Amino acid sequence: QVQLVQSGAEVKKPGASVKVSCKASGYTFTSYDINWVRQATGQGLEWMGWMNPNSGNTGYAQKFQGRVTMTRNTSISTAYMELSSLRSEDTAVYYCARASYFSNYIDYWGQGTLVTVSS
Amino acid sequence: EIVMTQSPATLSVSPGERATLSCRASQSVSSNLAWYQQKPGQAPRLLIYGASTRATGIPARFSGSGSGTEFTLTISSLQSEDFAVYYCQQYNNWPPATFGQGTKVEIK
Repeated sequence: QVQLVQSGAEVKKPGASVKVSCKASGYTFTSYDINWVRQATGQGLEWMGWMNPNSGNTGYAQKFQGRVTMTRNTSISTAYMELSSLRSEDTAVYYCARASYFSNYIDYWGQGTLVTVSS
Repeated sequence: EIVMTQSPATLSVSPGERATLSCRASQSVSSNLAWYQQKPGQAPRLLIYGASTRATGIPARFSGSGSGTEFTLTISSLQSEDFAVYYCQQYNNWPPATFGQGTKVEIK
């Protein structure tokens, strides 16, 4: 079965960077795009960007341009999202999510990773 | 960027009753709309894609309709496990993917 397993919770200081991993299993990793979506406590879903694991091509939401980097290691079927220059407003649960094969809706989600930014 | 607006923000419904949730797009998204369910402490789950196609394993009491700018998610007879937050998402003008702000379905 399709699984996306994310790394554990992180606590970071303002100005630092965080790198969240997302290990895929149960399907061919390079055949499906990976999206990253975040959710602040009590808030809605915010799309951050996408990556094609085959080519490594990426696209980022304008809000995160210059601060986010999405990469992958195909040998271990793992995607990464790194967010830099963290501020308190970046405190949120970060989800990796697989896009469907034929279109850009999300068919599977990781369990989420809580990133807390606090001095 | 397309803006998705959901209404109402909160819907109070008794178990067994019908729930109707709305999602409006700021411009046409054709039928490229998905609905997700999220329970507290859990990741979202895909319910509907293509505006009206149920995802694998989703019960028939969930149905989606609409096209263009107006969409509806209907839960025909609410079960206890259906009380959650529901989000719509357009993927017609992608990127970016854009989500509605969510509708919370609570027990009346």
